[in-house]
Amino acid sequence: GQSLEQPSEVTAVEGAIVQINCTYQTSGFYGLSWYQQHDGGAPTFLSYNALDGLEETGRFSSFLSRSDSYGYLLLQELQMKDSASYFCASPKAAGNKLTFGGGTRVLVKP
Amino acid sequence: KAGVTQTPRYLIKTRGQQVTLSCSPISGHRSVSWYQQTPGQGLQFLFEYFSETQRNKGNFPGRFSGRQFSNSRSEMNVSTLELGDSALYLCASSLGWTGDDYGYTFGSGTRLTVV
Repeated sequence: GQSLEQPSEVTAVEGAIVQINCTYQTSGFYGLSWYQQHDGGAPTFLSYNALDGLEETGRFSSFLSRSDSYGYLLLQELQMKDSASYFCASPKAAGNKLTFGGGTRVLVKP
Repeated sequence: KAGVTQTPRYLIKTRGQQVTLSCSPISGHRSVSWYQQTPGQGLQFLFEYFSETQRNKGNFPGRFSGRQFSNSRSEMNVSTLELGDSALYLCASSLGWTGDDYGYTFGSGTRLTVV
């Protein structure tokens, strides 16, 4: 089976940097995805790491280390609009099935 | 391009009733997955359809079922509703390739309340 663990909540101020860690235990691990979900909204895809290393997309970066069964999402230059829940997720090898972590609620304060 | 459309957005049902939710994926996407989101259990996979065939199923009772039509639109059905079925039901659309996550596009969901 698969399980992904992430912190439940993180609070930071505008302009700061936040790192959301995700540790996983999976069989048949393919890679690690990150999704953002605002209250009342749909999850939106942020990034996917199939290989070890850092992927950068604007202010957001995602990292994966397969040897450590660990990844993180880095949010830089935090803005108020970044207040949302962030989920790590892992796709299953056969078919399109995502297993999600419990989500990290990020609260950005002025 | 049009996004993933889920209908209805909100639904209130009584225990014991059944409900059908609909999802229209992005044009050209052949895979439709369904997820249940609750505060206690988070996002949980229900099932996935690809070219009208159920390809994956999550750990939900048989009261939860679905199907996919030839135009890739999908429906899910929940029979004999229970209070615990109250949740946000999300549909995700993708091209359908297995394995790597090419980025699922989620609909806005159907908020089901069972009273």
